[in-house]
Amino acid sequence: DSGVTQTPKHLITATGQRVTLRCSPRSGDLSVYWYQQSLDQGLQFLIQYYNGEERAKGNILERFSAQQFPDLHSELNLSSLELGDSALYFCASSARVSGNTIYFGEGSWLTVV
Amino acid sequence: AQTVTQSQPEMSVQEAETVTLSCTYDTSESDYYLFWYKQPPSRQMILVIRQEAYKQQNATENRFSVNFQKAAKSFSLKISDSQLGDAAMYFCAYRSDSGTYKYIFGTGTRLKVLA
Repeated sequence: DSGVTQTPKHLITATGQRVTLRCSPRSGDLSVYWYQQSLDQGLQFLIQYYNGEERAKGNILERFSAQQFPDLHSELNLSSLELGDSALYFCASSARVSGNTIYFGEGSWLTVV
Repeated sequence: AQTVTQSQPEMSVQEAETVTLSCTYDTSESDYYLFWYKQPPSRQMILVIRQEAYKQQNATENRFSVNFQKAAKSFSLKISDSQLGDAAMYFCAYRSDSGTYKYIFGTGTRLKVLA
């Protein structure tokens, strides 16, 4: 158990809908990362937050947005969903913005039908 | 921009044998970290081993060790005495020690362990 909690674990939704994925980082970790992993693909970096502020942005679509709240939990919002958005979405956390190691949650499986 | 390349999509090893997974990276930075993560069928991402670029000594964690060649920008993972539980997807990752500190992952190598 990495200490990073993601909910929901599985989600099935229809095209055009909006979903929110939630992440609670390890206790004390200030930095949160979001990654997308499509079937049999590598991990694509989406976005990083540190102590509530956006620190880095990767290949995140405009239909996607994220935020980190004062209690340090983070949410990834996916809207106008398309079939191609079906993927495993990982949240990871590290102690600092320059945390040497990131620890992953178990991921949220999103299936768009 | 930094890149990470894993040129072996799939590897096989006999149980109890040794296997080496390859990883190369491209960067102009001198300070960075390299990682190997394991992703078993459960899809959980598990940290296997970490290497600081400023350290010349290769990292070792039990049956897992790395061969870090900084000049060649190579970072291979050696698994000794392979076990059935080692079967998984292995990802090499790079993290800059400056700037955005974001992690960049390779495309992965699927390791099969044959009984």
